[in-house]
Amino acid sequence: EVELVESGGGLVQPGGSLTLSCEVSGFTFSSYWMDWVRQVPGKGLEWVANIKQDGTEKYYVDSVKGRFIISRDNAKNSLYLQMNSLRAEDTAVYYCSRSLDVWGRGTLVTVSS
Amino acid sequence: DIQMTQSPSSLSASVGDRVTITCRASQGISNDLSWLQQRPGKAPKSLIYAASRLQSGVPSKFSGSGSGTDFTLTISSLQPEDFATYYCLQYKSYPRTFGQGTKVEIK
Repeated sequence: EVELVESGGGLVQPGGSLTLSCEVSGFTFSSYWMDWVRQVPGKGLEWVANIKQDGTEKYYVDSVKGRFIISRDNAKNSLYLQMNSLRAEDTAVYYCSRSLDVWGRGTLVTVSS
Repeated sequence: DIQMTQSPSSLSASVGDRVTITCRASQGISNDLSWLQQRPGKAPKSLIYAASRLQSGVPSKFSGSGSGTDFTLTISSLQPEDFATYYCLQYKSYPRTFGQGTKVEIK
């Protein structure tokens, strides 16, 4: 069974940093692009970033460029999102997704003082 | 960025009804479009990719059509478990963009 499990969310102060992790199982992780998507509670979905199978290509939405870094470790079947210089508007549930066709349950990030 | 506009934003329907949701892209995206379902408090679930191809395990009551800029999602006979919010998603170019969502509620 395909499974994606996010972790690392929590409460962080504005300007702070947080790293999200996504551990996957049930498929060949190294064969897929992987994405992060976020959702402000009660609002719509916003794509954040994705990364190619071998990590050589990465793309970001403009609002996080220069602050967030997506990475992966194919040996550990894990995807990461390093989030720096966090702002209140980054508060959201962050979903890990396999090429936007299979999704994890999400982890909540709250940026507040 | 490609803007995705869904209509309606919400609708009320009864069990057994046929429901159609539309999505319009601000520029042509060929058939690089998915439809997702999100039940309250749950993660999104992909229903359709490439505009009309059903994801594995998704019931055939869901169907998608369209190409270029105009797309539709149809639910042939609404069941209680189908009351949810539906999103379209374009993956033709970066950044990937979603429609604003269509909330399907019980009449």
